[in-house]
Amino acid sequence: QSALTQPASVSGSPGQSITISCTGTSSDVGGYNYVSWYQQHPGKAPKLMIYEVTNRPSGVFNRFSGSKSGNTASLTISGLQAEDEADYYCSSYTSSSTLLYVFGTGTKVTVL
Amino acid sequence: QLQLQESGPVLVKPSETLSLTCAVSGGSISSSSYYWGWIRQPPGKGLEWIGSVYYSGSTYYNPSLKRRVTISVDTSNNQFSLELRSVTVADTAVYYCARLDGGGGWATDYWGQGTLVTVSS
Repeated sequence: QSALTQPASVSGSPGQSITISCTGTSSDVGGYNYVSWYQQHPGKAPKLMIYEVTNRPSGVFNRFSGSKSGNTASLTISGLQAEDEADYYCSSYTSSSTLLYVFGTGTKVTVL
Repeated sequence: QLQLQESGPVLVKPSETLSLTCAVSGGSISSSSYYWGWIRQPPGKGLEWIGSVYYSGSTYYNPSLKRRVTISVDTSNNQFSLELRSVTVADTAVYYCARLDGGGGWATDYWGQGTLVTVSS
């Protein structure tokens, strides 16, 4: 089972918008609206930021938004802030194996 | 508020078995639609889903680890466990337990704090 593909790094200046892509297949990202995004600061457990492609859990700022087109999902951070500097992982339900679930390769977001 | 807490040895010798338990508090492990999973993260690397279990005992494993992994659930004690056999140094990682919401878009909405397990002689 291959991991979903994300860019290794993305950077932006405070106040700018950045977008992180997450590419899978028709057996995962493209086949279901079950894409989630997680933020992970160093030494901490990941935190759920987006679920079901576009939904934000309570407490997550609306600067974070998600979308999907075909086999690629995206996370956009608008009005980038210093505290957004972290690693971000996408994930998806998958029907292609016994696994149920697969993560992306991860993207390091740097605030310049 | 749901809480998950990993416990188990932090040092395991090569070829031996890594065993971890995740205690769930603030909610029932037998709630329908929720799956309970293990995820690991080698130092400096990304997240890897190891597998998950439903309260009925149904299990789902990462094909790359399947022959070495067993995940089980103990509903009477509201906990679930991970066994990873024949470990090598490549199994050194932070191990997280987590809840997967099968009725809520398959998001992993609650995580334990994680425990670093080192494989070394």
